[in-house]
Amino acid sequence: DTEVTQTPKHLVMGMTNKKSLKCEQHMGHRAMYWYKQKAKKPPELMFVYSYEKLSINESVPSRFSPECPNSSLLNLHLHALQPEDSALYLCASRQDRWGGGYTFGSGTRLTVV
Amino acid sequence: AQSVTQPDIHITVSEGASLELRCNYSYGATPYLFWYVQSPGQGLQLLLKYFSGDTLVQGIKGFEAEFKRSQSSFNLRKPSVHWSDAAEYFCANFGNEKLTFGTGTRLTIIP
Repeated sequence: DTEVTQTPKHLVMGMTNKKSLKCEQHMGHRAMYWYKQKAKKPPELMFVYSYEKLSINESVPSRFSPECPNSSLLNLHLHALQPEDSALYLCASRQDRWGGGYTFGSGTRLTVV
Repeated sequence: AQSVTQPDIHITVSEGASLELRCNYSYGATPYLFWYVQSPGQGLQLLLKYFSGDTLVQGIKGFEAEFKRSQSSFNLRKPSVHWSDAAEYFCANFGNEKLTFGTGTRLTIIP
């Protein structure tokens, strides 16, 4: 298995909802990432997990809460989002924080209404 | 801070013509450089990467890139484009645990 799987592919949520994005990989990668991509913009790093521990938080608002329950799974919990949070959320994994190429998932298209 | 610059926002080429997408990096040490392609609404697919060694790197889908330290460049090339190459192309630089992307170049292919 050489893929990063993200679910759901599309999500529409209200500003008072709580939802979660899921990312899974079975390549034995020990670094996992959340990126946010607005339309016609490059991806921007949100969080980095290394060996299931949060190693980088790029000053992301607390309405985004990451979780890494095990080495294969990465979640992004969403609560009280704003319409401007609508974007493509990309998950990626890497062999570890020091080496290997990145593998990206196909993303979750999030719309906040 | 490390950064990459893609000076061309949008490029249009005819099918079958050659292609070169520009990328310039800024960093003192040997950079770790990547080219990714993204089709509309999709994730990112790695085309090729450069860490060290041979400065001409071969990638997937017939793409290649050449690392030129003297010009701080890592330009992507393809000798003959296909309509399916129409997409957004991102150059990226890795450092301090972060993959930092350029602003992207949108490639349009005309018949």
